[in-house]
Amino acid sequence: DAGVIQSPRHEVTEMGQEVTLRCKPISGHNSLFWYRQTMMRGLELLIYFNNNVPIDDSGMPEDRFSAKMPNASFSTLKIQPSEPRDSAVYFCASTDREGYSNQPQHFGDGTRLSIL
Amino acid sequence: GESVGLHLPTLSVQEGDNSIINCAYSNSASDYFIWYKQESGKGPQFIIDIRSNMDKRQGQRVTVLLNKTVKHLSLQIAATQPGDSAVYFCAEAFSGGYNKLIFGAGTRLAVHP
Repeated sequence: DAGVIQSPRHEVTEMGQEVTLRCKPISGHNSLFWYRQTMMRGLELLIYFNNNVPIDDSGMPEDRFSAKMPNASFSTLKIQPSEPRDSAVYFCASTDREGYSNQPQHFGDGTRLSIL
Repeated sequence: GESVGLHLPTLSVQEGDNSIINCAYSNSASDYFIWYKQESGKGPQFIIDIRSNMDKRQGQRVTVLLNKTVKHLSLQIAATQPGDSAVYFCAEAFSGGYNKLIFGAGTRLAVHP
């Protein structure tokens, strides 16, 4: 089975440019998460979707960040305009959540973003 | 091997020895705990999980122990191999929430031949 697929794997762009990160969750999973990982702050949850609906976006740093999930098999995280401090590894994870039962989240291999 | 602040602690072991990685969690209401392994350039990989109605769970070469009294979690790896070298993260969640995982800072495991 294919795992969570993220693209691109690496992105280098100049400050002020728009950046779009993409994620395809595991087929059949109904929950999707976007995380950011830095040395300083570790793994931080940015936003959580359940059944394609954003449930918790309290981790989104500021209005420059936005995320969408137009259907069950695709999500995007957009940064506009990008800044050097956005440089990090961005991960997408998915899980199949039933009611209040916790299940393991399965992560993609991330997008390493460098803003010059 | 507990994670403290921004510095990633390192546990160094000899190949073939057993490894124990420790984690202190913060929320006494947490009832789901999970360990991830992260290799360089890859995403966190699920190893094993445990719910609060258990105090021990075993997988293949791995055992997770949960002590709710002192809010402590540990991951034991038997017969550690070079392929086990990675950063290990514990995470906690509360089932009354939405499966939101709170991650620890991580512990680096270095396996020496």
